[in-house]
Amino acid sequence: GAVVSQHPSWVICKSGTSVKIECRSLDFQATTMFWYRQFPKQSLMLMATSNEGSKATYEQGVEKDKFLINHASLTLSTLTVTSAHPEDSSFYICSVPDRYNEQFFGPGTRLTVL
Amino acid sequence: GESVGLHLPTLSVQEGDNSIINCAYSNSASDYFIWYKQESGKGPQFIIDIRSNMDKRQGQRVTVLLNKTVKHLSLQIAATQPGDSAVYFCAEIGSGTYKYIFGTGTRLKVLA
Repeated sequence: GAVVSQHPSWVICKSGTSVKIECRSLDFQATTMFWYRQFPKQSLMLMATSNEGSKATYEQGVEKDKFLINHASLTLSTLTVTSAHPEDSSFYICSVPDRYNEQFFGPGTRLTVL
Repeated sequence: GESVGLHLPTLSVQEGDNSIINCAYSNSASDYFIWYKQESGKGPQFIIDIRSNMDKRQGQRVTVLLNKTVKHLSLQIAATQPGDSAVYFCAEIGSGTYKYIFGTGTRLKVLA
């Protein structure tokens, strides 16, 4: 399987600022990565599919201009929350599918917007 | 399979007892199912999976049962330990798709 890391593990920012979250596949080259959001006491909701070398695919209801995704290489995808607001406070988790399409999840990033 | 509401169902069991966590999935076309364990502040951790051509699969201390007739999945944990305390999610994956749909989750509390 894939070993996945995220950075930072937590971040606190002021309302209106932008925050970048990194997802790295440490031992597997991934042409696809997934970004999930998880609100407290709720389940994981798929936000978007990150595609290396092309545009991300966003799920219905997710604003692509607010959640910018860049899949810069086969081991790195970044999610930038632009002009963050308190309602964007959440736990953001990425996953990397292996060649059998089994997803391996990162440890998550806790975003708190003040 | 989408989560609603602000309260996770909670299952409390005595240490050493068996736990059964249930999940109703949404899509009859889903053909692959996974149970995940999520500890506070961490990402989901794979526990066990099952494909739709099976109705039971066993791992170490865990068993997954699949009832396609009623679209129901369960996770059985034998001899529950304090380290099993976490939130458990089922995920369903449709045939020909890579998208995981997560269930609402159940919090398991193990009482000493």
